[in-house]
Amino acid sequence: GEDVEQSLFLSVREGDSSVINCTYTDSSSTYLYWYKQEPGAGLQLLTYIFSNMDMKQDQRLTVLLNKKDKHLSLRIADTQTGDSAVYFCAESRGGEAGSYQLTFGKGTKLSVIP
Amino acid sequence: AAGVIQSPRHLIKEKRETATLKCYPIPRHDTVYWYQQGPGQDPQFLISFYEKMQSDKGSIPDRFSAQQFSDYHSELNMSSLELGDSALYFCASSLSGQNSNTIYFGEGSWLTVV
Repeated sequence: GEDVEQSLFLSVREGDSSVINCTYTDSSSTYLYWYKQEPGAGLQLLTYIFSNMDMKQDQRLTVLLNKKDKHLSLRIADTQTGDSAVYFCAESRGGEAGSYQLTFGKGTKLSVIP
Repeated sequence: AAGVIQSPRHLIKEKRETATLKCYPIPRHDTVYWYQQGPGQDPQFLISFYEKMQSDKGSIPDRFSAQQFSDYHSELNMSSLELGDSALYFCASSLSGQNSNTIYFGEGSWLTVV
């Protein structure tokens, strides 16, 4: 079955880069996602990467995918206090009629120290 | 831009009562997903609908049912509520076709069962 694992906590200083890592087990995953959740709030889609890509960059965010090792990472450059949140890695499995069922990791709580 | 709208945002029910959560997807989105996130947990997939038909089923209890209506909004009905049903319930939506992997979540509905 699917399983997505992430480290639970990460603490960085403001201005430094943050790297959040994730491993997954389902080799048939088509897309891999990063969602951000602030306290008491919903899940904000940050970015996603197609499984046949190895890198995607979007402003301060860089996603790296090593499909052979089933390893996904999210790098946040110039981390700000507003980046403090829980970051969820998720893999998708294509379902019926083009729907995608997501399996989430436990989430990594990023704390940014001013 | 319009997002996924969920109501109510907060709900308190007693054990054995019923509850109904509503979800209004992003305009033109035809696929709706329901997820349950327990305290400190990752979101778990419950069920999804495409064009008013159930497209995928996850760990949804038999006490729960859901449907998608002709205007694409969806309702999650929960009966015989248990304390363990206390959670944040997310609705998400996507548009079938080329961008069907882009899944947007609502802010969630907090259900507390006492």
